Amino acid sequence: NAGVTQTPKFRILKIGQSMTLQCTQDMNHNYMYWYRQDPGMGLKLIYYSVGAGITDKGEVPNGYNVSRSTTEDFPLRLELAAPSQTSVYFCASSYSTGQILAKNIQYFGAGTRLSVL
Amino acid sequence: GNSVTQMEGPVTLSEEAFLTINCTYTATGYPSLFWYVQYPGEGLQLLLKATKADDKGSNKGFEATYRKETTSFHLEKGSVQVSDSAVYFCAGGETSGSRLTFGEGTQLTVNP
Repeated sequence: NAGVTQTPKFRILKIGQSMTLQCTQDMNHNYMYWYRQDPGMGLKLIYYSVGAGITDKGEVPNGYNVSRSTTEDFPLRLELAAPSQTSVYFCASSYSTGQILAKNIQYFGAGTRLSVL
Repeated sequence: GNSVTQMEGPVTLSEEAFLTINCTYTATGYPSLFWYVQYPGEGLQLLLKATKADDKGSNKGFEATYRKETTSFHLEKGSVQVSDSAVYFCAGGETSGSRLTFGEGTQLTVNP
């Protein structure tokens, strides 16, 4: 029953530090996503991946990098942390079949709360 | 591009009150529409969905009807409970199926 697992749950960074947010899913989903959720705002897509070895930018990719070497894992890298990256980060996945609807039903992790001070 | 607009929150109701959260969308074509719910400290989870005009999605007493003529997908529940307190997100799916566009979210608090 693991689903989508994110680590860590909380992290405080100093300006200029780097870190990697981990995301893994055990549902054999092809599609994976990274979102950020700012207070009082909706979710903004950072990056997404349609399968191992394939990634693409979302709405707000600047300051982030991703890789997808396996179906299960989709880590998000912050190279030079800035206060503007203080947010809650959610990883999600969805199953890709020939049906478009299946791709839109996304399963979310519990989130990583990041503060950059 | 696609966009989803939700009513501004937060919304505070008493238990057993009627709930409506408005959602309208702008899209190329006719996307699938969704309501996701986020309980405190958790990630989002799918509440209900509709894939074409006049479809009604329903789950846990919540309903929403896909209205093409008004481009709306309003969420309703006849009698809310304290356990319904959460943030509700309306979302539209791209016709290619690879991405969702989320609304701003509406915080619902239900008091006993």
